[in-house]
Amino acid sequence: EVQVVQSGIELKKPGESLRISCTGSGYTFTDHWIAWVRQKSGKGLEWMGNIYPGDSDTRYSPSFQGQVTISADKSISTAYLQWSSLKASDTAIYFCARVEGDGSGFYYLNYWGQGTLVTVSS
Amino acid sequence: ETVMTQSPTTLSVSPGERAALSCRASQSVSSYLAWYQQRPGQAPRLLIYAASTRATGIPARFSGSGSGTEFTLTISSLQSEDFAVYYCQQYDTWPRTFGQGTKVEIK
Repeated sequence: EVQVVQSGIELKKPGESLRISCTGSGYTFTDHWIAWVRQKSGKGLEWMGNIYPGDSDTRYSPSFQGQVTISADKSISTAYLQWSSLKASDTAIYFCARVEGDGSGFYYLNYWGQGTLVTVSS
Repeated sequence: ETVMTQSPTTLSVSPGERAALSCRASQSVSSYLAWYQQRPGQAPRLLIYAASTRATGIPARFSGSGSGTEFTLTISSLQSEDFAVYYCQQYDTWPRTFGQGTKVEIK
């Protein structure tokens, strides 16, 4: 059974750094892209970027380029989303999801993690 | 960036009735369109991909249609568990983009 499990709730202060995680199981982790999606309270979904754990190829949506870092450790089937200096506007739920695709690209999101709530407040 | 626009923002429907949700792309996305359902407090769930193909385990009352710039998600007979927010997402161009969502509520 395919599962995607995320790390727990985070409460941080502005300016602090943070890394949240996303662990895949039940499939070959290196064969599928993993995407990160942001959802602010009461708002819609925003595709932040995605990584191919097989070779660490990473793509960022323009709105998130330079704002976050996506990485992966294929030895433990885990992808990460990282901030070097959090802002209050980073407060949101962050989902990771396995991306369905083929050799030509990455397409839609089939298996989702449960979400990680990140609250940034002084 | 391809902008996805969903309508209506909120749809009030009685249980057992049919619901039709619209999604429009700012440029053609061919059939590279997916639909998701998000219930309160839950992660989104894939319903439809390639505009009209149901994902594994999705009931037949959910159907998708359209191509190019105009798409529709139809729920043939609403069940209590179908009251949720629905999002479309294009995967023709980068960045991948979602619509703003349609909330289906009980009338």
